[in-house]
Amino acid sequence: GAGVSQSPRYKVAKRGQDVALRCDPISGHVSLFWYQQALGQGPEFLTYFQNEAQLDKSGLPSDRFFAERPEGSVSTLKIQRTQQEDSAVYLCASSPIFSGGRREAFFGQGTRLTVV
Amino acid sequence: DQQVKQNSPSLSVQEGRISILNCDYTNSMFDYFLWYKKYPAEGPTFLISISSIKDKNEDGRFTVFLNKSAKHLSLHIVPSQPGDSAVYFCAASDSGNTPLVFGKGTRLSVIA
Repeated sequence: GAGVSQSPRYKVAKRGQDVALRCDPISGHVSLFWYQQALGQGPEFLTYFQNEAQLDKSGLPSDRFFAERPEGSVSTLKIQRTQQEDSAVYLCASSPIFSGGRREAFFGQGTRLTVV
Repeated sequence: DQQVKQNSPSLSVQEGRISILNCDYTNSMFDYFLWYKKYPAEGPTFLISISSIKDKNEDGRFTVFLNKSAKHLSLHIVPSQPGDSAVYFCAASDSGNTPLVFGKGTRLSVIA
């Protein structure tokens, strides 16, 4: 497809369950970002990849969160032993190497995770 | 500590009038600013951006103004249309590939 694709769109997990969220970036995009958006808040940075290298994971809230992008395209965000505070929309964004100083990122529709 | 602040959670404007959405930032290292628009159940969509070397950027009905000394930017939409009703996020970055830092958003309602 032409845009960033995320799956599943919605996920309900029981507390303590592990979940895996998938992101298919725009083909050829070098950079990939994961954000977490809680209700009524703006997106908050979780982690960033350039190709397969995870360059920044400073936003991951705990060691229960893990992300990978092994071949530099599709990325998976895994959350182990989910807690209620993990309930949020998880957004994936990608961007190419822009010229001329442009830096916009293109977002997927997000995965809404609800932990019950 | 929020580095990007959108102090108005909501704004209501009549169709045809100007909408002005405001954003303040605290990090003086930010040198690139963006506005995103978000409809319910969709991801944010890029709208317009501005580099710190400029003070104004215009794209059709949308204009972004940057006041570096005040660490303030604003998005003007004129004329406003009902389809502009959405949540608008201000975002900033401080170098080529660092993550964007977002504000909490302002919900714009354009009333016909």
